[in-house]
Amino acid sequence: AQKVTQAQTEISVVEKEDVTLDCVYETRDTTYYLFWYKQPPSGELVFLIRRNSFDEQNEISGRYSWNFQKSTSSFNFTITASQVVDSAVYFCALSESVRPGYALNFGKGTSLLVTP
Amino acid sequence: GAGVSQSPSNKVTEKGKDVELRCDPISGHTALYWYRQSLGQGLEFLIYFQGNSAPDKSGLPSDRFSAERTGGSVSTLTIQRTQQEDSAVYLCASSLVYGELFFGEGSRLTVL
Repeated sequence: AQKVTQAQTEISVVEKEDVTLDCVYETRDTTYYLFWYKQPPSGELVFLIRRNSFDEQNEISGRYSWNFQKSTSSFNFTITASQVVDSAVYFCALSESVRPGYALNFGKGTSLLVTP
Repeated sequence: GAGVSQSPSNKVTEKGKDVELRCDPISGHTALYWYRQSLGQGLEFLIYFQGNSAPDKSGLPSDRFSAERTGGSVSTLTIQRTQQEDSAVYLCASSLVYGELFFGEGSRLTVL
């Protein structure tokens, strides 16, 4: 069963638009970690954020923000005022281990294209 | 270098041949992971090494796949008798014990 669902396969926006990437997860564990990674065309996965299941505070980092809601098992990612350099594939991932990076279950990714 | 280094970046092989993919993790990282990224399956966990502990091989898809990590540093993923369905990008990542994963740029394997 898919543990992480990213329903949006591809999103295309024009520069300066805001865009939200959805992530829904499934787990029975009470301790788990959620991640977002960015994969630019170079192929290297770049870590963006890690949240543990006990911390539902939303987080903002520059133009990036994350909305974690346990009630809906979602961990959505918003890019404000998107830029061309944001074009990449974004992956949401779940780790059900006490070791936060262990055996990540990745979603299938959302390909974001930002055009000028 | 400062990041995770993988080689070769691209490998084309014929069905039935063996291939070896190498990963050089970030210095000081005790944990090392192999993932596979393919169009149909997304990102799949393959194997995990932590220090001197026995590796977790639960993600390896068949006994044609094996991996070792020598001296707690460099790792080699070996695929024997390659099949076309093995074509994918093989990603290596390393981390501190409880830290975030840092990924390499991957080795793209094409089996003809």
